[in-house]
Amino acid sequence: GAGVSQSPSNKVTEKGKDVELRCDPISGHTALYWYRQSLGQGLEFLIYFQGNSAPDKSGLPSDRFSAERTGGSVSTLTIQRTQQEDSAVYLCASSLWVYTEAFFGQGTRLTVV
Amino acid sequence: TQLLEQSPQFLSIQEGENLTVYCNSSSVFSSLQWYRQEPGEGPVLLVTVVTGGEVKKLKRLTFQFGDARKDSSLHITAAQPGDTGLYLCAGLTGANNLFFGTGTRLTVIP
Repeated sequence: GAGVSQSPSNKVTEKGKDVELRCDPISGHTALYWYRQSLGQGLEFLIYFQGNSAPDKSGLPSDRFSAERTGGSVSTLTIQRTQQEDSAVYLCASSLWVYTEAFFGQGTRLTVV
Repeated sequence: TQLLEQSPQFLSIQEGENLTVYCNSSSVFSSLQWYRQEPGEGPVLLVTVVTGGEVKKLKRLTFQFGDARKDSSLHITAAQPGDTGLYLCAGLTGANNLFFGTGTRLTVIP
């Protein structure tokens, strides 16, 4: 596709359930980022993938959060045993290489009830 | 995690006024980017500054990277309602990770 695609665009889940959020980056982009954004706030870094290097997971808030990137392309962010404080917009971005623009998807709005 | 503090957090001004948004950190960044985000959308890049002391102009927007590459500012001249949005700075670390600031929500009143 022409841009970064995220799915689903909206997800409502019950507390304690697991959720998977998907990100399709721009083809050929080596870097992929996941961020979390609460209403009107800045972006909280979660995890960063760069090529075949080990991902930087330093931003994951707890061991309930995990992410993988298969074949250097599609990425999935998994949240296990969701809690109400996990409610936020989860944004994915990809970039071609260093110093270059990060292109964002439209995000997945997660609501935990 | 690198911390980038933006100020002010909220700014509401009349059309035609000037404003400056600040982005400060105790960390050194290899480059710094400014993004603008509108409701329901992802952030979109406005500019990248790479060299300490660098100044870039984009129409009515002027971006400056601090000499020590720890801070940056965004100045808007004669603000227009179309400038309304959430402005985010983002610093690129030596490990090529991209950390975002706390955001400045700008409202320009016609």
